[in-house]
Amino acid sequence: GAVVSQHPSWVICKSGTSVKIECRSLDFQATTMFWYRQFPKQSLMLMATSNEGSKATYEQGVEKDKFLINHASLTLSTLTVTSAHPEDSSFYICSASRLRDFNEQFFGPGTRLTVL
Amino acid sequence: QKEVEQDPGPLSVPEGAIVSLNCTYSNSAFQYFMWYRQYSRKGPELLMYTYSSGNKEDGRFTAQVDKSSKYISLFIRDSQPSDSATYLCAMRGGSGSARQLTFGSGTQLTVLP
Repeated sequence: GAVVSQHPSWVICKSGTSVKIECRSLDFQATTMFWYRQFPKQSLMLMATSNEGSKATYEQGVEKDKFLINHASLTLSTLTVTSAHPEDSSFYICSASRLRDFNEQFFGPGTRLTVL
Repeated sequence: QKEVEQDPGPLSVPEGAIVSLNCTYSNSAFQYFMWYRQYSRKGPELLMYTYSSGNKEDGRFTAQVDKSSKYISLFIRDSQPSDSATYLCAMRGGSGSARQLTFGSGTQLTVLP
């Protein structure tokens, strides 16, 4: 149980285009989902926290207009990288936690974004 | 200074060795401590979590937390080649934005057959 999927697993796009990444909790309801970014050989950096049905809370330095997050249901959150640029190339990972379960975040397999 | 410091390695050990991985932290509000394993190009997988100070054992893995020293460790006994991965420590506080984790940079471990 507690499986989180991401789609796509990798994407290559041209500079200036927008890319949408989906994060789904497959067998549980995720009241909170988190989006992280990870550069090679570096740790996970939290970008934003989203609760179902409300606006996402972005970490300092993360542009909310560039990284649009929607958490429309208890099993789906999406991250849209708008007008992507090469510096946005990274590994994006989502995680999800269950209602009242503060101790564990279940991570998705990640999405590798390459912007040409 | 980073809130969580972790030696990035790389660390190479022979199969069967005992591995010791460590993190130090500066935020005394952290109360929950986790260790994640991340294989290349995959998402992190939770190995263990510990609340406050103390030890916790699960099979070949033992997690230790010393809050007085702000120091946590993960020990892997009888290490196997399949343990080769990056190990991330993570921690969080006990209230407020309790779900937000702060990660270490990860230690890359290779267990040689």
